[in-house]
Amino acid sequence: SQKIEQNSEALNIQEGKTATLTCNYTNYSPAYLQWYRQDPGRGPVFLLLIRENEKEKRKERLKVTFDTTLKQSLFHITASQPADSATYLCALDESQAGTALIFGKGTTLSVSS
Amino acid sequence: GAVVSQHPSWVICKSGTSVKIECRSLDFQATTMFWYRQFPKQSLMLMATSNEGSKATYEQGVEKDKFLINHASLTLSTLTVTSAHPEDSSFYICSARGPSGRAIADTQYFGPGTRLTVL
Repeated sequence: SQKIEQNSEALNIQEGKTATLTCNYTNYSPAYLQWYRQDPGRGPVFLLLIRENEKEKRKERLKVTFDTTLKQSLFHITASQPADSATYLCALDESQAGTALIFGKGTTLSVSS
Repeated sequence: GAVVSQHPSWVICKSGTSVKIECRSLDFQATTMFWYRQFPKQSLMLMATSNEGSKATYEQGVEKDKFLINHASLTLSTLTVTSAHPEDSSFYICSARGPSGRAIADTQYFGPGTRLTVL
């Protein structure tokens, strides 16, 4: 069966450290993978998209890697801040025109000062 | 950027009534919009795909007669929860995808969500 798994429901780290979140998938062939941030009671906000032919993507303190052999994406937040505390969702896109994203359950990150 | 709005942001209604939720793409035209539902501490679950000018495609297990979707223009899709019951209480989120062939089509932009509470 098809699955998207984000390795932990919750991750607690100290301010200034690097947070690493994992997204694994099985029985999908995504053309790209996206990461979103969701705050309580709000809709997801797009952060980064990485395509199947890209190994790594960066945006400010964020870095995403995509390993189609391992069927895994890693999402890193460097120099984390309390304001980074939120739920982070990975989502797959199999790149058929008009198709919806398929979401993992999310990892809730808490950054303590 | 690409902005999607939803209205209302929250609604409380009595059991048996119908509720309409609007989703608008404010600064781009959205050929495809999606409706998701999210229960507490759960992932977003796709309910239906809405294409402008055609009937919506519903996911398995979603009652199309209960959740009516209309995508009458390239900037507006509506979800009507008919004869709502307490088990329909949830967080409803729409997203919009831009026209094919443009970079904006690669990403879905989400609305802020609508919290529905059915008493």
